[in-house]
Formats: sequence, C-alpha cells, structure tokens
Amino acid sequence: EDQVTQSPEALRLQEGESSSLNCSYTVSGLRGLFWYRQDPGKGPEFLFTLYSAGEEKEKERLKATLTKKESFLHITAPKPEDSATYLCAVQARTGGFKTIFGAGTRLFVKA
Amino acid sequence: GAVVSQHPSWVICKSGTSVKIECRSLDFQATTMFWYRQFPKQSLMLMATSNEGSKATYEQGVEKDKFLINHASLTLSTLTVTSAHPEDSSFYICSARDPGTGRVNTEAFFGQGTRLTVV
Repeated sequence: EDQVTQSPEALRLQEGESSSLNCSYTVSGLRGLFWYRQDPGKGPEFLFTLYSAGEEKEKERLKATLTKKESFLHITAPKPEDSATYLCAVQARTGGFKTIFGAGTRLFVKA
Repeated sequence: GAVVSQHPSWVICKSGTSVKIECRSLDFQATTMFWYRQFPKQSLMLMATSNEGSKATYEQGVEKDKFLINHASLTLSTLTVTSAHPEDSSFYICSARDPGTGRVNTEAFFGQGTRLTVV
C-alpha cells in the first residue's frame, strides 16, 4: 500500500534558524513526489515536483531533495512568513493521477 | 501555475439540507478533478476522482449517495453533500491537474477550500 509519513509533526524555529523537514514514502513505482504549502483555512499551494532520486529543486529559501525512500524540504534562514503546514504527497505510476498525502509538518517561525 | 477556483469558501446549512460546492479550472481544461476532505490538523483524505463525462470513482468508505459528484464540463466539477448532518462538517478541497503540452504534468493545483458547517 502506498504510504507517506512526515516528520516532525511540528517544528518551531527562530527566524534565521535553518532546518529540514522529512518525508518518507513507500510507493509501487514513483511517478512523482510533491511538496505543498498550506496556510490555515486555505487550499494547498504547489511548491515542487520531484521525479527521480538525486533530483533537487529550489525556490527562494526552500530546497527539496529526493532519494529512493525519502524527500527532504530544507528551509534556509526562515522568516516568520514561512510559517505554515508543509505537505508531502506521492503519485504512483499506476492508479491514474491519484495523490496520497502525508499528515504534514506544521512549521512555526518566531521573529 | 494553473488556477483552480472553488466556491463558496464557507457555508453554514441546517441539518437535513443539501449543499453544492463548485470547483472550476480557470485557465485550463481538466478532464480529471479530485475531491478531498480535511479534518483539523489532519491531512487531506481523497474522497473521489471526478472524470469529465463519466461517473466519479469513490474511495472506499465514501458514500456515493451522500456525496454526489458531477463533472459536466472540462472546467467544472461539483460536489453536493446531500441531507447534511453535523458530522459532515469539514473542510472540503478540490484539485485539478493541468494536462499541459508536451511533458505530462503530474502535479495538481488546489482550490481555496470550502468550510462546511452543518447546524
């Protein structure tokens, strides 16, 4: 069964304190792994898609990396506006384009 | 990225009534849309896959007769919660994939979500 596990559940950082969020996954043939940001009461906002092990993508203070078993979302020098829930999700090559989500990591960045 | 619009953003209804939620892809045609439900501090749970011109595919445990999905055009899917009860109160979110051109795009774009409260 396809599964996504994110850790930690919650992460509190000081502004400027870099850290990483983890996403472990099991999937029968990975089509793609996705990172989304979700603010309270809003729909998820797309951040990155990673397709194969070794791939990396960057956007401002965020960098996503992928191995065969997990993905990391690195946050460099975070700011309070980076506070949100970060969701990891996967799609298998089979099963259409159904996306399986992890429970998310709630990030709090204090000024 | 592609834009998906969901309406309404919140709704309060009386127990026993039905509520319709719309999901529109604004700048692309979506043959497939997805409906999710999210409880507080929990992740998105896929309810059903909506296919344009055909019946929706429901996930195990989701009542087809309670959550009616209609995908009548390439830009619009609707979710109707029939005979709503307080336990149906939740955050409902739709998503759509932009097939794009050339490379197959896999990521989905989400609507803003609808907060349903049944009293």
